[in-house]
Amino acid sequence: AQSVSQHNHHVILSEAASLELGCNYSYGGTVNLFWYVQYPGQHLQLLLKYFSGDPLVKGIKGFEAEFIKSKFSFNLRKPSVQWSDTAEYFCAVKSRDGQNFVFGPGTRLSVLP
Amino acid sequence: GAVVSQHPSWVICKSGTSVKIECRSLDFQATTMFWYRQFPKQSLMLMATSNEGSKATYEQGVEKDKFLINHASLTLSTLTVTSAHPEDSSFYICSALQPNTEAFFGQGTRLTVV
Repeated sequence: AQSVSQHNHHVILSEAASLELGCNYSYGGTVNLFWYVQYPGQHLQLLLKYFSGDPLVKGIKGFEAEFIKSKFSFNLRKPSVQWSDTAEYFCAVKSRDGQNFVFGPGTRLSVLP
Repeated sequence: GAVVSQHPSWVICKSGTSVKIECRSLDFQATTMFWYRQFPKQSLMLMATSNEGSKATYEQGVEKDKFLINHASLTLSTLTVTSAHPEDSSFYICSALQPNTEAFFGQGTRLTVV
């Protein structure tokens, strides 16, 4: 069975600081990778996704993620965070056949104004 | 993006009764839908994968007789919590997989069993 781990449970940053959230997965086959964000009181929204091609993926709101196949990692980055980025971030992995779609435990990001 | 509608958004029921939650993909056909449970301040826990026209695949530790999943059409999957108990109170989220792309999520259903 596939699993997803996220390195940090809670990250606290000041505005304008750079962000990197770690995500590692375990799965032997081909996968699609996702980062979702959940703002307080709202449902999940897709930030970005990787299916194939360029391993550096750019998403909405200035986020990007890099797929490193050899490390089974898909870390999320943003050069300069804003207070409005305060949210819960989930990494997710879908098997290519679509029969498994598993989320990591989530990382809470708090950005201080 | 595509729209997935989940209904109801909030339900309160008495212990021992059953509750049905619907998940509909409004503008695409979804052969696969997923059901998750989210506890407060925690991640989504995959409960089961539902394929249209076949039995759902349940994750380890999820009671299939308690959480009945039906995916009778390409746009509708239902989750029925049977004989609900207070410990079943949670936030249930469905997602529908748009073929060859991503999954889109419903807005979730908050179940409170009293």
